[in-house]
Amino acid sequence: NAGVMQNPRHLVRRRGQEARLRCSPMKGHSHVYWYRQLPEEGLKFMVYLQKENIIDESGMPKERFSAEFPKEGPSILRIQQVVRGDSAAYFCASSRDSEGRGAFFGQGTRLTVV
Amino acid sequence: AQTVTQSQPEMSVQEAETVTLSCTYDTSENNYYLFWYKQPPSRQMILVIRQEAYKQQNATENRFSVNFQKAAKSFSLKISDSQLGDTAMYFCAFMKPQSGAGSYQLTFGKGTKLSVIP
Repeated sequence: NAGVMQNPRHLVRRRGQEARLRCSPMKGHSHVYWYRQLPEEGLKFMVYLQKENIIDESGMPKERFSAEFPKEGPSILRIQQVVRGDSAAYFCASSRDSEGRGAFFGQGTRLTVV
Repeated sequence: AQTVTQSQPEMSVQEAETVTLSCTYDTSENNYYLFWYKQPPSRQMILVIRQEAYKQQNATENRFSVNFQKAAKSFSLKISDSQLGDTAMYFCAFMKPQSGAGSYQLTFGKGTKLSVIP
């Protein structure tokens, strides 16, 4: 039973390019969460999705960031026109439900904007 | 809004000894969940232990146990018989109960960097 799979592990983008981060949840999990970790900080919630629905995107920056979780395929976090401040580790987590049992995290994608 | 505070940025412990990491939180909720996550150098976030606020009994997972003091809003993690593989960042996290806005969000502290010394 594979865990939460994120790819790529490392992503380098030039300022102004687009970054696409992928997350495949654990088998049987239909709830996906994205978190961002800045250096020396804990993780900060960005968005919560279920299949084909965005449930809560209150932690997402209003511009340039979007997320989706299609019926088929992985969840995608998309960052358009990246800037240096977007450099961070982005973690995806999944759970079977939202009943507080804790989510299982992937290994993260470290985005570096140069 | 909930806040989680970890007041020890770094700690060290001798191998085989016991260490306690502190965590305090602030909330107006009566029921909630608390977690400790471990982040080793690989960056993987690993769930270590979980506590439900309505349960008085402290959670235990092998060498890991918590001291949950609800009135004091304190949730410390004790690691017994420390091993080299315990070297990692440890994050305390809070989750609101299922009902209500944002109930699925984990709110994390800034972490404690634990080094186990041979």
